[in-house]
Amino acid sequence: DADVTQTPRNRITKTGKRIMLECSQTKGHDRMYWYRQDPGLGLQLIYYSFDVKDINKGEISDGYSVSRQAQAKFSLSLESAIPNQTALYFCATSDSRGSDTGELFFGEGSRLTVL
Amino acid sequence: GEDVEQSLFLSVREGDSSVINCTYTDSSSTYLYWYKQEPGAGLQLLTYIFSNMDMKQDQRLTVLLNKKDKHLSLRIADTQTGDSAIYFCAESLYTDKLIFGTGTRLQVFP
Repeated sequence: DADVTQTPRNRITKTGKRIMLECSQTKGHDRMYWYRQDPGLGLQLIYYSFDVKDINKGEISDGYSVSRQAQAKFSLSLESAIPNQTALYFCATSDSRGSDTGELFFGEGSRLTVL
Repeated sequence: GEDVEQSLFLSVREGDSSVINCTYTDSSSTYLYWYKQEPGAGLQLLTYIFSNMDMKQDQRLTVLLNKKDKHLSLRIADTQTGDSAIYFCAESLYTDKLIFGTGTRLQVFP
């Protein structure tokens, strides 16, 4: 089983719909992140959380919101999806206590298509 | 500000060396990383270098860091078809968060 699990893996939706992408981890890491991947743009940070009570905006947070329901769960919501939010979304974790390199551990990605 | 740039594509013949280049703008970066993304998968850390180092070697991988020019490179010796992937350069400031480059798609042909 994957240490960082994202659901759904694929989703097609229509403009204006609310979408939630969920991420759960079994690594016991305190930090969690949501990235978006677009061809030619690399990965862009949407939101990140250093613990359950900590939420921070990344480079491209407009149109997104997040919830850190527990240390192991971090969900990303699109309140009203639009076509330019079509992308591959990655959840990642890191451990601020066990590693001094800041290595990120990624889920397998959630491909979202907004029609 | 933080910005990490890479060329988008690199094509090499199997057995040759590959060199993937990256430039970054934040001179305060403490760690610089190379991540590998295979088709249909998330990213995995390939190697990293601390900012006070010039070079790091790990089997077929050699990382070179030129802090003056803010240039990072990854050399893969004896490139194999299994090395075909997207390679991302990333920088961090005190490991609080990583800023990724655009990714370089490496294609290895026989």
